[in-house]
Amino acid sequence: QVQLEQSGGEVRKPGASVKVSCKASGYTFSSYAVSWVRQAPGQGLEWMGFIRASNGYTNYAQNFQGRVTMTTDTSTSTGYMELRSLRTDDTAVYYCARETPYSGYTDWGQGTPVTVSS
Amino acid sequence: DIQMTQSPSSLSASVGDRVTITCRASQSVSISLNWYQQKPGKAPKPLIYGSSTLHSGVPSRFSGSGSGTEFTLTINSLQPEDFATYHCQQSHSTPLTFGAGTKVEIK
Repeated sequence: QVQLEQSGGEVRKPGASVKVSCKASGYTFSSYAVSWVRQAPGQGLEWMGFIRASNGYTNYAQNFQGRVTMTTDTSTSTGYMELRSLRTDDTAVYYCARETPYSGYTDWGQGTPVTVSS
Repeated sequence: DIQMTQSPSSLSASVGDRVTITCRASQSVSISLNWYQQKPGKAPKPLIYGSSTLHSGVPSRFSGSGSGTEFTLTINSLQPEDFATYHCQQSHSTPLTFGAGTKVEIK
């Protein structure tokens, strides 16, 4: 079955960077995009963007343009999301997800909590 | 960007009740509307895609309807395991956007 295994929780100071990984299994990694969604404490879900594993094409939400970089390593079926210049309001759980065409996000990672605090 | 407005933001209901949650889009998303269920500390679970198609394994007491800008999620005969937060999401165009969520609590 499809599994998305994310890296563990992180604590960073304001201004630092964080890189979260998402290791996929159970499907052909290069045939799908890896998307990233975050959820601040007590808040709703916020779409960050996606990267197509087949060709590296990225589409980032305007809110994160210039601060986020999404990459993939097809040799290990792993997606990465790096967020720079962290602020306290970047404190959130970060999820990776797989979108199946016309079916929405059918598979999700377990989430990676990122805390930004001085 | 397409804004998604969910209502209510929370509701209290009893086991066996029928519950309806509404999601409105700021412009037409056709039927590119998905619903997710999320329990505390867990990732969202897909419920419905394409406005009305249930994902495999989702109980038939869940149903979705709507097109264009107005959508509803209905839970018939609410069960104890249905107490959770429900999110709508449009997948018509990027940036993909979610509603703020509706928390269904036990009365």
